[in-house]
Amino acid sequence: DQQVKQNSPSLSVQEGRISILNCDYTNSMFDYFLWYKKYPAEGPTFLISISSIKDKNEDGRFTVFLNKSAKHLSLHIVPSQPGDSAVYFCAASANTNAGKSTFGDGTTLTVKP
Amino acid sequence: GAGVSQSPRYKVAKRGQDVALRCDPISGHVSLFWYQQALGQGPEFLTYFQNEAQLDKSGLPSDRFFAERPEGSVSTLKIQRTQQEDSAVYLCASSLHSVNQPQHFGDGTRLSIL
Repeated sequence: DQQVKQNSPSLSVQEGRISILNCDYTNSMFDYFLWYKKYPAEGPTFLISISSIKDKNEDGRFTVFLNKSAKHLSLHIVPSQPGDSAVYFCAASANTNAGKSTFGDGTTLTVKP
Repeated sequence: GAGVSQSPRYKVAKRGQDVALRCDPISGHVSLFWYQQALGQGPEFLTYFQNEAQLDKSGLPSDRFFAERPEGSVSTLKIQRTQQEDSAVYLCASSLHSVNQPQHFGDGTRLSIL
């Protein structure tokens, strides 16, 4: 039973437009959520996070929204750039579980020039 | 550089051989995690250290998998009597503390068992 799900394996957007990546989770104990970006043959790189006490966190072109009642979070990238093309992983952890992260299977974002 | 370093980057072994994968975390990072990533999937938790103490090994697939961090810095993941299903990318990550902190990942070791 996958506790973190990214239902869209891939997403293609035009440069300059908004990219929206979605993530759903089932474990109500999760209280910290992160997005990582991964290029081929490299490890994941931290992008942005949000604590369960917030519903939005913004960092430049990247904004993460959390809807606790729906157990859903999303990552918005505005405006999208070709260099944003990568695999994006959603991850979640619980304060009671020593920060062990549970990951989704990733969404491959392609930004076309 | 100051990032997490893993070696070797690639490892090919015959079924039944033992392998050892090394992780050098960021200096001063208390927490160290090992993950296994199969093709097309996200990283899956294997084990977690806080300094030299292995606090959680619930993700290790079998007793053929063993991890250690004897001095609270470098960690080694050992797989004994390797099987084909052990083929994956093994990722190491470290963080300053464990709770509510992003993890810094190495580039992984790609293990292929023939």
